[in-house]
Amino acid sequence: GDSVTQMEGPVTLSEEAFLTINCTYTATGYPSLFWYVQYPGEGLQLLLKATKADDKGSNKGFEATYRKETTSFHLEKGSVQVSDSAVYFCALSDGGGNKLTFGTGTQLKVEL
Amino acid sequence: DAGVIQSPRHEVTEMGQEVTLRCKPISGHNSLFWYRQTMMRGLELLIYFNNNVPIDDSGMPEDRFSAKMPNASFSTLKIQPSEPRDSAVYFCASSRRTSGGQETQYFGPGTRLLVL
Repeated sequence: GDSVTQMEGPVTLSEEAFLTINCTYTATGYPSLFWYVQYPGEGLQLLLKATKADDKGSNKGFEATYRKETTSFHLEKGSVQVSDSAVYFCALSDGGGNKLTFGTGTQLKVEL
Repeated sequence: DAGVIQSPRHEVTEMGQEVTLRCKPISGHNSLFWYRQTMMRGLELLIYFNNNVPIDDSGMPEDRFSAKMPNASFSTLKIQPSEPRDSAVYFCASSRRTSGGQETQYFGPGTRLLVL
């Protein structure tokens, strides 16, 4: 079945550092890929998405590129802020887009 | 828009009691999803509905769990009887399904359930 593998956290960075959170997936067909963010005590919010190979999703300085050849969708940000501290989930949807399969989440802590 | 609304936000109950979680999806959305989040298992899809009809309930843990969607603006997830291992955060999400596929899922704030 479909699966998503994320790097384990927590990831601790200093403000303005470069961020990479790795995500790889296994899926049949051509899934859409997503990054969701969860701030403490809140639900998940869509951060960005990509629906086909080589698409780049971007939002709030974050970006990720759908790499079919490496089955990856790594999340990057050039300069993190304390306010980016949260848990980040990589996810994929099946061909019909009905079901989201999530990775285990990666906690990011950004310190001054 | 108010977003997806869930109630209660927190629930503490004793083992064996019935628990009912409620969800109001975003107006105009025709798909609704129930998820469970635990430290051990992460985020799991329990069940989803399209146009108020349950489509896939393969994620429902066992017969103690049931979900209903009597109309487009309301859904419930019921656990009866509840057990300590049901303690988790339960999320509801909604989206719009069109001929082009499923659009983005929007999540509610979750219900944090503790079964003693």
